[in-house]
Amino acid sequence: QVTLRESGPALVKPTQTLTLTCTFSGFSLSTSGMCVSWIRQPPGKALEWLARIDWDDDKYYSTSLKTRLTISKDTSKNQVVLTMTNMDPVDTATYYCARINYYDSSRAFDIWGQGTMVTVSS
Amino acid sequence: QSALTQPASVSGSPGQSITISCTGTSSDVGGYNYVSWYQQHPGKAPKLMIYDVSKRPSGVSNRFSGSKSGNTASLTISGLQAEDEADYYCSSYTSSSTWVFGGGTKLTVL
Repeated sequence: QVTLRESGPALVKPTQTLTLTCTFSGFSLSTSGMCVSWIRQPPGKALEWLARIDWDDDKYYSTSLKTRLTISKDTSKNQVVLTMTNMDPVDTATYYCARINYYDSSRAFDIWGQGTMVTVSS
Repeated sequence: QSALTQPASVSGSPGQSITISCTGTSSDVGGYNYVSWYQQHPGKAPKLMIYDVSKRPSGVSNRFSGSKSGNTASLTISGLQAEDEADYYCSSYTSSSTWVFGGGTKLTVL
């Protein structure tokens, strides 16, 4: 059974750096075709794709946020970490991690974590 | 990358069919057969309903179907049921190797 779970601070102050961890099970990020993405959703608003890391350590970022984002993986711990610098109240959102499996559901996010709510406020 | 365009809301009565459109550009929806659709109930994580324009993951009802014409993709739900009431989001892989989502459509079952 594939599961993903996000963890991180519920509250961060403006200008601080946010660090989120996605801990997963049921698959390996060293297996060809496996990727993990981060996606966020402000309260009452639409989903927004943020970043992706591939099995071969290729990384891709949202054009509008790429200067603030860093994604990395620890294959031995089955974890993917996202850092976002210079947090602002508009970054208040639920942050999800989700899996992509090229050889099953192609370029779709087939399994999602439950999400973690992050509020940016002083 | 601009968000894909979806209607803000659609509605239908139980048993009816509804269609949600998702319009993008030749750099995303029109350029690739990598459109996917997600169902999201309040307070829950999104769930994959359709991938690669028209494929259904295992366990998803065949009442859900997808299609695409040019830069516009569509999700059709037939035999509408009360539990289908949710928000629906389309997404497309893009020419930048990134993803873009639609603004979401709220489906109301009357």
